[in-house]
Amino acid sequence: GAVVSQHPSWVICKSGTSVKIECRSLDFQATTMFWYRQFPKQSLMLMATSNEGSKATYEQGVEKDKFLINHASLTLSTLTVTSAHPEDSSFYICSAHILDQGGNNEQFFGPGTRLTVL
Amino acid sequence: GNSVTQMEGPVTLSEEAFLTINCTYTATGYPSLFWYVQYPGEGLQLLLKATKADDKGSNKGFEATYRKETTSFHLEKGSVQVSDSAVYFCALSDEWVGGNQFYFGTGTSLTVIP
Repeated sequence: GAVVSQHPSWVICKSGTSVKIECRSLDFQATTMFWYRQFPKQSLMLMATSNEGSKATYEQGVEKDKFLINHASLTLSTLTVTSAHPEDSSFYICSAHILDQGGNNEQFFGPGTRLTVL
Repeated sequence: GNSVTQMEGPVTLSEEAFLTINCTYTATGYPSLFWYVQYPGEGLQLLLKATKADDKGSNKGFEATYRKETTSFHLEKGSVQVSDSAVYFCALSDEWVGGNQFYFGTGTSLTVIP
């Protein structure tokens, strides 16, 4: 199946710094990528939908100036957590969406990035 | 609107026991239904899916049947193994609105003991 990678897998940073997380689709092109946040023992919370070449669509309650999303190509989307604070510590997961003429409608998930803000 | 309601956990079973994790949904269109599995420390993996009513998805001994009349997609396995210990998420994608939005249940943690 299709592979989605994330980098880094774990990052620890000081409060006030910015952190960039990359999401890549390795063997396919994805016009749409999604960013989720997962709190311990909870489900995934969709943060934003990212379409290549256009501005991301953020879910209600998600600060777009806090979580900057760039989708520069069909295989790469980045999430930058700006001026991170301890409450931003979480597990961030991206996914890449395929909706093709064959009727495949599926998301492929990255392995996640654990962010710890001290 | 669209939503997924999933049986709350955690669930603890002995090896070789029968597993059922309930999932019901509401949707405005014609959704595809999915079960994802998340093993400890890993990302989500697609376990199985069904794209229309009465379809049965199956993989690794797990099965789920798309029941439109009861709006359900319950996950079952006849004999669980220790290696099945993970968190299971039910999800839907509503193709009527373009098929590019997934809705997840809250997840059910399964622990299988030897």
